[in-house]
Amino acid sequence: DTAVSQTPKYLVTQMGNDKSIKCEQNLGHDTMYWYKQDSKKFLKIMFSYNNKELIINETVPNRFSPKSPDKAHLNLHINSLELGDSAVYFCASSQSGGLYGYTFGSGTRLTVV
Amino acid sequence: DQQVKQNSPSLSVQEGRISILNCDYTNSMFDYFLWYKKYPAEGPTFLISISSIKDKNEDGRFTVFLNKSAKHLSLHIVPSQPGDSAVYFCAASPMDSNYQLIWGAGTKLIIKP
Repeated sequence: DTAVSQTPKYLVTQMGNDKSIKCEQNLGHDTMYWYKQDSKKFLKIMFSYNNKELIINETVPNRFSPKSPDKAHLNLHINSLELGDSAVYFCASSQSGGLYGYTFGSGTRLTVV
Repeated sequence: DQQVKQNSPSLSVQEGRISILNCDYTNSMFDYFLWYKKYPAEGPTFLISISSIKDKNEDGRFTVFLNKSAKHLSLHIVPSQPGDSAVYFCAASPMDSNYQLIWGAGTKLIIKP
């Protein structure tokens, strides 16, 4: 009964492909996030949606497109994958501001070859 | 431009002793600070937080201290247990930002039996 689940857990794909990572939360939270953990282990926010509305859109290539069909889902679609996209991507959710902590998914390790 | 710094990539502590993890920040607009714990192949989990109006917050074996003048916070774990071995992330929230967290690079804590 996972609170924030993201699929797949591992994704290996070739350069130039298009792929999606799905995220679902069953906590009733109104805000969802995508984070990227880079090779230096920094967690960097990519996107945040509150009640299906985009509220944070950090400087990421426009090959990355989030989609939130409803409050419980935030998917990440990546076009024309590049080697530098290889990283661990974390989905997270929080309620009204997240000051009481995010709940993270277990991560998706994306490897572009 | 690293606004939240965890200068120790790793820390090794004997079981039963005190673990002290440090975090420094540069932005005086941060008003809320959080610690997260991360096990391998899992997402970070919220551990403890502190508001800038306080200088200490305690939860069981975990205590966070905030020194605003020094822009420094620390997480104390006492007594340290083997299950505490994990990566600990410090994160800060800017004033009036309900959604943005700025993260440190993490400190890997190893508890030796």
